[in-house]
Amino acid sequence: QQQVKQSPQSLIVQKGGISIINCAYENTAFDYFPWYQQFPGKGPALLIAIRPDVSEKKEGRFTISFNKSAKQFSLHIMDSQPGDSATYFCAARGGNQFYFGTGTSLTVIP
Amino acid sequence: DTAVSQTPKYLVTQMGNDKSIKCEQNLGHDTMYWYKQDSKKFLKIMFSYNNKELIINETVPNRFSPKSPDKAHLNLHINSLELGDSAVYFCASSPGTGGALGGYTFGSGTRLTVV
Repeated sequence: QQQVKQSPQSLIVQKGGISIINCAYENTAFDYFPWYQQFPGKGPALLIAIRPDVSEKKEGRFTISFNKSAKQFSLHIMDSQPGDSATYFCAARGGNQFYFGTGTSLTVIP
Repeated sequence: DTAVSQTPKYLVTQMGNDKSIKCEQNLGHDTMYWYKQDSKKFLKIMFSYNNKELIINETVPNRFSPKSPDKAHLNLHINSLELGDSAVYFCASSPGTGGALGGYTFGSGTRLTVV
């Protein structure tokens, strides 16, 4: 059973546009929500993370929006650049491990 | 300087063979993991060790056996390799007992191809 549902599976955005990736979860015990960025041939790398007592966190062009009541969170990439082309994973912490979404392949077209 | 290093990066082998993947971290983290990433990029946890003690053992075939000689190393041995074992295997580490704030640090992966 997939603990964290992620959409879309793939996303194509023009340079300068906004990329939005959504995740949803059911387990209310989850207490920490990171996003990972993975480039081809590399391992996932922590990009940005949020705790559920905060509704939004921004780091540069990357913003996490968190809706605790809806059990949803999303990653927004502003002014998307070709260098942002990668696979993005959301995750949620439950107990002593993280549960990952299924990934979104983002392509930013110049 | 690499934080989590895995060897080899690529591994091509025939069905039925036994192979090992090695992982080392120099971050001083207490917990290490093995993840399998399939062709659809789905990340699935296989094992987790905290200070050499197995704490997560997901449902994987017993042909897969992790070994942690010390808290900086977690190796993965696979017996009787099958075609379905072809995937990218990632080692990761984290501070504390796992699930620590700051998340995981992943290695760059080992692409295993079974022919």
